Amino acid sequence: GESVGLHLPTLSVQEGDNSIINCAYSNSASDYFIWYKQESGKGPQFIIDIRSNMDKRQGQRVTVLLNKTVKHLSLQIAATQPGDSAVYFCASTGDYKLSFGAGTTVTVRA
Amino acid sequence: KAGVTQTPRYLIKTRGQQVTLSCSPISGHRSVSWYQQTPGQGLQFLFEYFSETQRNKGNFPGRFSGRQFSNSRSEMNVSTLELGDSALYLCASSSGGNQPQHFGDGTRLSIL
Repeated sequence: GESVGLHLPTLSVQEGDNSIINCAYSNSASDYFIWYKQESGKGPQFIIDIRSNMDKRQGQRVTVLLNKTVKHLSLQIAATQPGDSAVYFCASTGDYKLSFGAGTTVTVRA
Repeated sequence: KAGVTQTPRYLIKTRGQQVTLSCSPISGHRSVSWYQQTPGQGLQFLFEYFSETQRNKGNFPGRFSGRQFSNSRSEMNVSTLELGDSALYLCASSSGGNQPQHFGDGTRLSIL
């Protein structure tokens, strides 16, 4: 079945630096990917998505890169701020459901 | 536009009881999905409904069931509660297809 995983469970980053969060997926048929941010006590919040016909998509301070050859996607956060501290999940779609990775906890150091 | 609303936010039950959780999707969204989130298993898919039809179901026992109403609101029910059912239950809605799912803040269910 589908499995989606993140490379590192935790990431500590200095405020103002760029953050990179990685994710690998197993189902080569996955054609839509989403990054979510989850803060304590809240549900996952949509950050950015990308379809399989693209390899890069940019949002406000965030960029998602998709490498279908190695089934890998990453989330880059520019100029990381304290409010970026949260758990980040990648998810892929298939059969009307999302398959989530385990999550990376990002901690921003002042 | 109002987001996904889940009620109640917190619930405490004892083993053997049953529980019903409610979800109101974003207006206009016809797809509603349910997920269970635990520290050990992460986010796991329970089921998805579109226009009152269940289109997919995850690997959970039959004690977990759901339904969707004509106004797209959804409920999930868990019968014969077990200690391991303690979790955050999340509902997400989307307009369908390859569109992002938007989540509510969940119902925290604790089983004593």
